[in-house]
Amino acid sequence: NAGVMQNPRHLVRRRGQEARLRCSPMKGHSHVYWYRQLPEEGLKFMVYLQKENIIDESGMPKERFSAEFPKEGPSILRIQQVVRGDSAAYFCASSPPLGTNQETQYFGPGTRLLVL
Amino acid sequence: ELKVEQNPLFLSMQEGKNYTIYCNYSTTSDRLYWYRQDPGKSLESLFVLLSNGAVKQEGRLMASLDTKARLSTLHITAAVHDLSATYFCAVYAGNNRKLIWGLGTSLAVNP
Repeated sequence: NAGVMQNPRHLVRRRGQEARLRCSPMKGHSHVYWYRQLPEEGLKFMVYLQKENIIDESGMPKERFSAEFPKEGPSILRIQQVVRGDSAAYFCASSPPLGTNQETQYFGPGTRLLVL
Repeated sequence: ELKVEQNPLFLSMQEGKNYTIYCNYSTTSDRLYWYRQDPGKSLESLFVLLSNGAVKQEGRLMASLDTKARLSTLHITAAVHDLSATYFCAVYAGNNRKLIWGLGTSLAVNP
């Protein structure tokens, strides 16, 4: 049973370009979360999605950031017109349906985004 | 708004010694998580604590939860070098499964 998969693991973009980060949840998991970690800091919640639905996007910046979790395929976190302040590690986590396995969130390896 | 504070943020200890990391949170929550992160790596789930008085142990690590005091502790017994990592506590905000994270405790275990 593969764990949470993220790609790419490292991404370098120039200011103004777009960044697309992908996350495939663990098999059987229907809930996906995106977190951002700045150097030497804890994680900050960004968005919580279920298939085809955004449940909570209260941590998403109002502009340039968007997320989706389509019926088929991975979840995508999209950052348009990246700026240097977007440089961070972006972690995706998944969890099983409500009420199972104590709702632990299992994390992927992260995508480290560097904006030049 | 739920806030989570960990202390200490940095901890250097000798092998064989015991120590405790503390996690305080500001509003009521019904679950708390401890995770471990090695440098440049992802986060590994250590413990999920669901109720007042919950205590869980795995190897040299033991976690406890006091929901009335809004406090969790992660106790390290007879530390070994392999425990060197950053340890995060995260508290369930309740609404929509959001986890609010502490800043982490960077632990270095020295020979």
